[in-house]
Amino acid sequence: AQTVTQSQPEMSVQEAETVTLSCTYDTSENNYYLFWYKQPPSRQMILVIRQEAYKQQNATENRFSVNFQKAAKSFSLKISDSQLGDTAMYFCAFMKRPNDYKLSFGAGTTVTVRA
Amino acid sequence: DTGVSQDPRHKITKRGQNVTFRCDPISEHNRLYWYRQTLGQGPEFLTYFQNEAQLEKSRLLSDRFSAERPKGSFSTLEIQRTEQGDSAMYLCASSLGEFSNQPQHFGDGTRLSIL
Repeated sequence: AQTVTQSQPEMSVQEAETVTLSCTYDTSENNYYLFWYKQPPSRQMILVIRQEAYKQQNATENRFSVNFQKAAKSFSLKISDSQLGDTAMYFCAFMKRPNDYKLSFGAGTTVTVRA
Repeated sequence: DTGVSQDPRHKITKRGQNVTFRCDPISEHNRLYWYRQTLGQGPEFLTYFQNEAQLEKSRLLSDRFSAERPKGSFSTLEIQRTEQGDSAMYLCASSLGEFSNQPQHFGDGTRLSIL
C-alpha cells in the first residue's frame, strides 16, 4: 500500500510571495504518477499539477511548480506570486501505473494567502 | 462540459436509516470513482467503475455500502443502516480514456450528517 504524508497542516503566506508545501510518499513501485490537488473552501477539488515518475524534469503550470526527488520520495509544490484565490486546502496524491486508477491522498495542507 | 454533478449536496439522516447518493459524471467519461473524505483529512478511495463494471472496491466499503452504475452513465452509492461513523463528505470523480494518465475530475460532493 502507498502512504502519502503532508507534514504541514497549515501554511500562511503574504500575497505576491512564495510558499512551498511538502509531501513525501512511501512506495515500492517504480512507475507512478504524483499530483497536487486544490480544494477551495466549499468548492470542488481541482487538479493543480501532475508529475510522471519516469520524467526527471519537474512539472510546471504557470505559478505552480514541483520539486520531484524520486530517490528521496519527495514531491513538494511551490506556489509563486501567491494570490488570494490560492487560499485552499492542497492535497498531494499518488497513483500507481499502469493499471491502477485510484488516488491515494495525503491529509492536506491548508494554505491561507494574506492580503 | 458541465462537470461532475452530485446530488444531494447535503443529507441529514438519523442513525439506522438508508441513504442513496447520485453522481452524474462528465459525459463520455468511462471511469467513475467514489471517495470518502472526513473532516480535516484527504479523500479515501471507496470504489471504481469502468463503464458499468465495478472493478475495484476498498476494504472501507463494508457490506452496508453498495454502488452501481447502470448502463455506464450515472452512479448511485447507497449506505444501509447508517452509523455515526458514516458521517463524511462523499466525493465522486470521473475520467476519460484507457490509460491512467487522464486526470480525475471531482464533483462538489455530498455531505452526509448522521444524527
